[in-house]
Amino acid sequence: DAGITQSPRYKITETGRQVTLMCHQTWSHSYMFWYRQDLGHGLRLIYYSAAADITDKGEVPDGYVVSRSKTENFPLTLESATRSQTSVYFCAAGSGGKTDTQYFGPGTRLTVL
Amino acid sequence: AQSVAQPEDQVNVAEGNPLTVKCTYSVSGNPYLFWYVQYPNRGLQFLLKYITGDNLVKGSYGFEAEFNKSQTSFHLKKPSALVSDSALYFCAVTYSNKLVFGAGTILRVKS
Repeated sequence: DAGITQSPRYKITETGRQVTLMCHQTWSHSYMFWYRQDLGHGLRLIYYSAAADITDKGEVPDGYVVSRSKTENFPLTLESATRSQTSVYFCAAGSGGKTDTQYFGPGTRLTVL
Repeated sequence: AQSVAQPEDQVNVAEGNPLTVKCTYSVSGNPYLFWYVQYPNRGLQFLLKYITGDNLVKGSYGFEAEFNKSQTSFHLKKPSALVSDSALYFCAVTYSNKLVFGAGTILRVKS
């Protein structure tokens, strides 16, 4: 049972390039989330999705685009990468209720040069 | 808005001693609180959560957390620390089907 997989695990890109980070769950959780982790900030929510074709902004959505055509996939795209988007990105999935647990993927470490 | 504070950037404890990682929260309505652990180069792993009921919540790997409504705290505890407990710990609170995380506390357990 793989749970949540993210690819790539490591990525180096240049300023201005488009980058897509992939997230796939083997469960059927309705909610999926993208976070970024930066020193001193903990995890901050970028975007989330309540179901296929339903997405919404989180705390730090600027510069990011998401889509969710299938329940199991939730890709995150940086349309024109900037150095400030250098971070570790985590995908998570859960049932979405206020008391429900979110389960996290292994993360993608992105460096923008 | 809901928020979580972890007042200590780092906690150091000797192996075999009890450990406490502190968390305070600010919420409107009922608090639903979580603890996660992150080992180096890994994703976050769920430890435990408080929903309602008993103020002492037991979780994975021998960890427990004490919910204190009057002090708005949800401290993570373990009676006897292991070197393998060394990791980054996050407290989080639910806000409208989303999680709001604290900045994290590094726990270092020395042998």
